[in-house]
Amino acid sequence: EVQLLESGGGLVQPGGSLRLSCAASGFTFSSYAMSWVRQAPGKGLEWVSAISGSGGSTYYADSVKGRFTISRDNSKNTLYLQMNSLRAEDTAVYYCAKYDSSRVYASVCDYWGQGTLVTVSS
Amino acid sequence: QSVLTQPPSVSGAPGQRVTISCTGSSSNIGAGYDVHWYQQLPGTAPKLLIYGNSNRPSGVPDRFSGSKSGTSASLAITGLQAEDEADYYCQSYDSGGGVFGGGTKLTVL
Repeated sequence: EVQLLESGGGLVQPGGSLRLSCAASGFTFSSYAMSWVRQAPGKGLEWVSAISGSGGSTYYADSVKGRFTISRDNSKNTLYLQMNSLRAEDTAVYYCAKYDSSRVYASVCDYWGQGTLVTVSS
Repeated sequence: QSVLTQPPSVSGAPGQRVTISCTGSSSNIGAGYDVHWYQQLPGTAPKLLIYGNSNRPSGVPDRFSGSKSGTSASLAITGLQAEDEADYYCQSYDSGGGVFGGGTKLTVL
């Protein structure tokens, strides 16, 4: 059974940093691309970032480019999102999602975690 | 403003058929990229409903169907049931990353 468990969310001040983690199990982690998708309170889904199965290719939404860094440790079956220079508009539930192939291009997120809440406020 | 455009809300009575549209452009849906649909029940994570324009994952009832034409896609739900009340999102790919529609809230009257 595929399981994705996010952690690391919490309250942080504007300009601060936070690192999210997503522990994966139930599949061969290194064979699949992974993604972070967020949802601001009462709003829709926003694709944030993705990384190929090998970690060699990364992708970012314009809204987070230069501030967020996605990475993965295939030996630990864990996905990360390092978030720097956080803003109030980054407040959201952050979901970790698995793609159905090793590449992001033309793939679909077939499994999702339950999400972790990030609140950016002073 | 979302890259893909969906109606904010749709509604229907139990047993009826409803459709949800998803309009993109020549850089995403029109470029030939697949469209996927997700269902999000209140307070829960999104769940994959339709992938590759018209395919249903195992366990999704055949009351749900998807189609794509040109720069648009549609999700159809027949035989509406109370448990279908949820938010629905379309997703595709666009120049380096994923893009979502703004979501459509389905109300079962």
